[in-house]
Amino acid sequence: ELKVEQNPLFLSMQEGKNYTIYCNYSTTSDRLYWYRQDPGKSLESLFVLLSNGAVKQEGRLMASLDTKARLSTLHITAAVHDLSATYFCAVDRPMEYGNKLVFGAGTILRVKS
Amino acid sequence: DSGVTQTPKHLITATGQRVTLRCSPRSGDLSVYWYQQSLDQGLQFLIQYYNGEERAKGNILERFSAQQFPDLHSELNLSSLELGDSALYFCASSVGSLKDTQYFGPGTRLTVL
Repeated sequence: ELKVEQNPLFLSMQEGKNYTIYCNYSTTSDRLYWYRQDPGKSLESLFVLLSNGAVKQEGRLMASLDTKARLSTLHITAAVHDLSATYFCAVDRPMEYGNKLVFGAGTILRVKS
Repeated sequence: DSGVTQTPKHLITATGQRVTLRCSPRSGDLSVYWYQQSLDQGLQFLIQYYNGEERAKGNILERFSAQQFPDLHSELNLSSLELGDSALYFCASSVGSLKDTQYFGPGTRLTVL
């Protein structure tokens, strides 16, 4: 069964600092997603990583995928308060006629000024 | 705004009751997915429909059922509600039935008293 693990589960960081969130998954997959969720809100799609070595950047966030290591990272550069949210990684789990996403537990990020 | 709409936003009901959650996918999307988010279980896939047909099923309880109508909107029916069914229920949609980015609606918060 596909398992997706994120760490850390909680991250408190100062504004201006850098940090990385890790996402490991247990079975082969060539697509990985990062979502952001603000408290009580929906999930916002941040990145879709489609192949080994894929790297995508948007503002202060950069995501990468290593399919051989079954590892994705979400790197935060010079954090600002607006980045405070919960970040989820998710992996496609194809099924016979359809598909589902398997999510990690989420990383709660708090950026302190 | 992802373009996926869900109603109602909040629902408060009593144990043993039945409720219906409604979802309209983004224009052009044929797949609808239902997910449950709770503190203890995290984000869990329930079921997927594609163009009116069930395509994938997750850990959906027998008390829960769903359907997708010809106009592509979907309903999730929850019956014989228990306290443990209290959660945030998300609908997501995508263009195809397999590996496509899923866009999430705002969710319905269900509280069972």
